[in-house]
Amino acid sequence: TQLLEQSPQFLSIQEGENLTVYCNSSSVFSSLQWYRQEPGEGPVLLVTVVTGGEVKKLKRLTFQFGDARKDSSLHITAAQPGDTGLYLCAGARIQGAQKLVFGQGTRLTINP
Amino acid sequence: DTEVTQTPKHLVMGMTNKKSLKCEQHMGHRAMYWYKQKAKKPPELMFVYSYEKLSINESVPSRFSPECPNSSLLNLHLHALQPEDSALYLCASSQVVAGTNYGYTFGSGTRLTVV
Repeated sequence: TQLLEQSPQFLSIQEGENLTVYCNSSSVFSSLQWYRQEPGEGPVLLVTVVTGGEVKKLKRLTFQFGDARKDSSLHITAAQPGDTGLYLCAGARIQGAQKLVFGQGTRLTINP
Repeated sequence: DTEVTQTPKHLVMGMTNKKSLKCEQHMGHRAMYWYKQKAKKPPELMFVYSYEKLSINESVPSRFSPECPNSSLLNLHLHALQPEDSALYLCASSQVVAGTNYGYTFGSGTRLTVV
């Protein structure tokens, strides 16, 4: 059972465009994290959101946690080729927070 | 030090070989993890160690044997692997504070090829 549905799975856009990646679940999470992974490397933590309705900004990236703590979004403004990579959302369950549930990932390509 | 260091970076082993993957962190994290990642897929949890004790085994075959010698080190011993075990093996650590997981720090992984 896939508890975190991430969409889209693939996205290819031109430099300068905006995009949004979604992560949805019917389960409530105690926290939700976004990671970015380059080929042959481990995922790198971008942000953790904990409070329902929370919005965090990291330069051109904006992360939002849904009010009910069941969903999240990642919005990138004015995408750049350096944003290319695999973006993964991951939720920590309320019971057993050590174990993360990963979404299937969004493979993002930004074309110059 | 905010890194998780994994060695080796690449490993090729035969199906009858015995090898070990190593992971080290000095962030004081008391939870450490082994994940397996196949191409174009998200990481899959294998094992969780909490305070040096194995707390989760995701029904991993016994040809994978984890070990946590101390709070900074995590090993994964490999024996009699199959070609389908070829994957990127990721180590991670985290701190869970008052029941909230604030995120993992992953190592760069070991690219394992079983021939």
